[in-house]
Amino acid sequence: SQKIEQNSEALNIQEGKTATLTCNYTNYSPAYLQWYRQDPGRGPVFLLLIRENEKEKRKERLKVTFDTTLKQSLFHITASQPADSATYLCALGLSMLTFGGGTRLMVKP
Amino acid sequence: GAVVSQHPSWVICKSGTSVKIECRSLDFQATTMFWYRQFPKQSLMLMATSNEGSKATYEQGVEKDKFLINHASLTLSTLTVTSAHPEDSSFYICSASFGGKSGTEAFFGQGTRLTVV
Repeated sequence: SQKIEQNSEALNIQEGKTATLTCNYTNYSPAYLQWYRQDPGRGPVFLLLIRENEKEKRKERLKVTFDTTLKQSLFHITASQPADSATYLCALGLSMLTFGGGTRLMVKP
Repeated sequence: GAVVSQHPSWVICKSGTSVKIECRSLDFQATTMFWYRQFPKQSLMLMATSNEGSKATYEQGVEKDKFLINHASLTLSTLTVTSAHPEDSSFYICSASFGGKSGTEAFFGQGTRLTVV
């Protein structure tokens, strides 16, 4: 069956460190993979989109990698800040999306 | 960027009543709109896809007679939860795309918290 897995346990890191979140999927061959940020009680906010023919994408302190052989994407936040604390969702697709369960990131000052 | 607005942000209704949630694309024409539902501590689950002027396509397990979707214009889609029950309490989120079902990325609304008492 199709599955998108993100670490369901919260990730706690110290301010200034790099946060790395993982998204693994099975039985999908997505042309696009996206990462979103979601704060409690709010809709998801788009962060980055990466295409299947792209290995890596960057935007300011964010970096996403996409390994279609491993069926995995890694999402990095460098120089993390307490304001980065949120739930991060991985999603497959372009407009009609299938979401992973999300990983909650807590950045401590 | 493209802006999608949902209304209301939250609503409390009595069991057995119906509730309408609006999703508007403010600065673009949305050919396709998507409705998702998110239960506490769970991820977003797609409920249905609606294309302007045609019937919505519902995902497996979503009752089309209970969750009525209307996409009468290129800037507005509505989701009506009919005969709501406490188990329908959830966070409902819409997104809108202006390129068709697989054309372009989608932009999300801020969500509507529905509580049925």
